[in-house]
Amino acid sequence: DTGVSQDPRHKITKRGQNVTFRCDPISEHNRLYWYRQTLGQGPEFLTYFQNEAQLEKSRLLSDRFSAERPKGSFSTLEIQRTEQGDSAMYLCASSRGSGGLPGELFFGEGSRLTVL
Amino acid sequence: DQQVKQNSPSLSVQEGRISILNCDYTNSMFDYFLWYKKYPAEGPTFLISISSIKDKNEDGRFTVFLNKSAKHLSLHIVPSQPGDSAVYFCAATSMEYGNKLVFGAGTILRVKS
Repeated sequence: DTGVSQDPRHKITKRGQNVTFRCDPISEHNRLYWYRQTLGQGPEFLTYFQNEAQLEKSRLLSDRFSAERPKGSFSTLEIQRTEQGDSAMYLCASSRGSGGLPGELFFGEGSRLTVL
Repeated sequence: DQQVKQNSPSLSVQEGRISILNCDYTNSMFDYFLWYKKYPAEGPTFLISISSIKDKNEDGRFTVFLNKSAKHLSLHIVPSQPGDSAVYFCAATSMEYGNKLVFGAGTILRVKS
């Protein structure tokens, strides 16, 4: 399977703990996006990378959130001192950046975070 | 401030009939619009898109219509099939947005056989 993969699929943690999610994009894609989706809402943009450079961060991404994409391959999203409001599905997506249809993102299955 | 709105949380349609899903947007900067489909336990998948220079785009059973003056788009599925039952998200973007997508809240489509 050469699609976008995310790990873990589900994480349950206690409030105050740190969690880290990993995303492996489609190999030839140079753009990588993180979105967050809560119940009854559509995905909300968090941040995106062009290769290893983080080009934009949403104001939704508080200083407890950090994302990296070392060497422009896989990416990690870390949430420090988790709060119950962080409970959501965290979606990773990738795209070609150029040459593909505008906005055509390929999403992974998501990592569901439950903060108790 | 929701820039992309899908006002119908759900829609139920009989198999073989037409499904019409609606979407409104407020930001005039958007110039590209997309529909994504999402099955349970899967990520959203791209379905069809339309540029603001067009008013219609068709792909098999799926047609997207864009009314720029009304800031409204719709997705028509004809004929509807039970396998079309899913959540449908409308999304918008522009070059100024770095092609990042702004999504609506989604519409749950149920096609009854």
